[in-house]
Amino acid sequence: AQSVTQLDSQVPVFEEAPVELRCNYSSSVSVYLFWYVQYPNQGLQLLLKYLSGSTLVKGINGFEAEFNKSQTSFHLRKPSVHISDTAEYFCAVSPFTGGGNKLTFGTGTQLKVEL
Amino acid sequence: EPEVTQTPSHQVTQMGQEVILRCVPISNHLYFYWYRQILGQKVEFLVSFYNNEISEKSEIFDDQFSVERPDGSNFTLKIRSTKLEDSAMYFCASSETGTGNEKLFFGSGTQLSVL
Repeated sequence: AQSVTQLDSQVPVFEEAPVELRCNYSSSVSVYLFWYVQYPNQGLQLLLKYLSGSTLVKGINGFEAEFNKSQTSFHLRKPSVHISDTAEYFCAVSPFTGGGNKLTFGTGTQLKVEL
Repeated sequence: EPEVTQTPSHQVTQMGQEVILRCVPISNHLYFYWYRQILGQKVEFLVSFYNNEISEKSEIFDDQFSVERPDGSNFTLKIRSTKLEDSAMYFCASSETGTGNEKLFFGSGTQLSVL
């Protein structure tokens, strides 16, 4: 079984400031890692994913995330946020084998970008 | 980018009534899913569906739930006799393959309120 922890339920940040959204996971098997974003009144959209290889992955809208196996973390970062980044961000995992697309999500982090 | 569409966006029903939530997945996708999110809680996997059969289901997906692909385009979730605890946002998703490393396309959700 897998579990995902997003410790920060809300993160306020000023426009053009950097931001980091934290994600830790627990799994007895190897997993793929994802970040999804949900803008108001929209469905979840994939920001980025880590499958293998380089531990730093880049996604859409200037976001990137770093996989740290020893710390079982997959934190999401952006060096300079924009008002339009205000949304809910979900970290998720899916097992390498046998899991299909049965994603296990965290509780989400509400990013609020202020002027 | 292609979209998954869900109808209705909001559904209010009385406890004990049957509801059907509708989804139109992306046309060339073969795998379909339902997830739900109770207010303040995690997004949870309910069921995956492929080739007119359930591939996997969670503990939540009991006998009160059923899924169907009644024609070539729609994918439905039926709750036979709704309970108060079924109140949640229900997300439909689709994907091209059933591998665990791919992007899921989510609809914008149906907010179900059981009174």
